[in-house]
Amino acid sequence: GAGVSQSPSNKVTEKGKDVELRCDPISGHTALYWYRQRLGQGLEFLIYFQGNSAPDKSGLPSDRFSAERTGESVSTLTIQRTQQEDSAVYLCASSLAGLANEQFFGPGTRLTVL
Amino acid sequence: AQSVTQLDSHVSVSEGTPVLLRCNYSSSYSPSLFWYVQHPNKGLQLLLKYTSAATLVKGINGFEAEFKKSETSFHLTKPSAHMSDAAEYFCVTPARRGAGGSYIPTFGRGTSLIVHP
Repeated sequence: GAGVSQSPSNKVTEKGKDVELRCDPISGHTALYWYRQRLGQGLEFLIYFQGNSAPDKSGLPSDRFSAERTGESVSTLTIQRTQQEDSAVYLCASSLAGLANEQFFGPGTRLTVL
Repeated sequence: AQSVTQLDSHVSVSEGTPVLLRCNYSSSYSPSLFWYVQHPNKGLQLLLKYTSAATLVKGINGFEAEFKKSETSFHLTKPSAHMSDAAEYFCVTPARRGAGGSYIPTFGRGTSLIVHP
């Protein structure tokens, strides 16, 4: 079946503009994660959705960042009033519920803020 | 709190020589542990995982890792490096986060494996 997909693959925007990034998880995966990866760095956790539970937003760096998920399907990550330091690859992953389950990653969205 | 530490930011080996990428964990209980690989300009892929079954775990591409409770380690090894192994490797464990108390897969800082011909 299809893996995790993300769109757009690349996004170039001007400082101050809003951007919306999309993630389509694997069907049946109740858990969905967003991470940020700056150039040459590790993965920085942003937000976690699990089924219909309230999302864990503890990794969001500021109130300019928000995310939504419709049921157990598509998720969107929105960054308002983008800043140059928001430039990074944004990765989405999905998994079955449970700590022992593998995460499946999408190819990422490369965001460049000019 | 559970966490992982990858001891080396870069490891450089010659093709055909053994690979050792080190990861130590801190936990008060037997954790779940994973190794993921990220090839340049590609997505992350699971190499192997430990979930309290066999302590020696075999993964894809000839990699394996041994869970050693006495040393709190989960080092990744391969007997003979190949040029295609050049990539970034991440050790991962679920760690409790945030007010909601969710367990989130938490990544080590990564180890860049460089393979010389």
